[in-house]
Amino acid sequence: DTGVSQNPRHKITKRGQNVTFRCDPISEHNRLYWYRQTLGQGPEFLTYFQNEAQLEKSRLLSDRFSAERPKGSFSTLEIQRTEQGDSAMYLCASSKSRGRGEKLFFGSGTQLSVL
Amino acid sequence: AQKVTQAQTEISVVEKEDVTLDCVYETRDTTYYLFWYKQPPSGELVFLIRRNSFDEQNEISGRYSWNFQKSTSSFNFTITASQVVDSAVYFCALSEDRNTGTASKLTFGTGTRLQVTL
Repeated sequence: DTGVSQNPRHKITKRGQNVTFRCDPISEHNRLYWYRQTLGQGPEFLTYFQNEAQLEKSRLLSDRFSAERPKGSFSTLEIQRTEQGDSAMYLCASSKSRGRGEKLFFGSGTQLSVL
Repeated sequence: AQKVTQAQTEISVVEKEDVTLDCVYETRDTTYYLFWYKQPPSGELVFLIRRNSFDEQNEISGRYSWNFQKSTSSFNFTITASQVVDSAVYFCALSEDRNTGTASKLTFGTGTRLQVTL
């Protein structure tokens, strides 16, 4: 296993710009998750995919956020018209579906700073 | 609603001391899963342990041990003979069974930063 890979590691952008992050999960992991972590807090669930299907989205995910997982492999998370409140660490995780409390493998995250 | 409380924001110990990180959770479900993850400065969360609500046996893995007490809704984590490499933020997390039909939606605590010095 090469682990979960996220790019870029850091992103600085101006308010109002669009940004896109990429996550490459562990190969053969069919579930992929996005979490957001702000300073001093634990990660918060945003959304998840089972293969290419996005099956659940948190209320935290406003309509400015969109995530895709074409072909059930890598995933992208796009934020349109960024706001300062979007500044956070965006974490991706993957797992083999077990349906019951499976172990998640996390990437190192993308740190977004909105100026 | 489910909730995880880690009351200790930061703990500092000297190497070789034992340290216990506290975790208290709230859930209305009878079936759930509890986790501990470690987040070193590099940022990725590293899985340490998973425990389901029906298994109250305590577990030991090397210098790590976990004490699960359903009666007090606690899942505490002890590091014996701490080392500098143990310095990290440690998160306790809860996944309710009602959610696992669709996803492992973890509810995390706010974390405990452990600093181990020489």
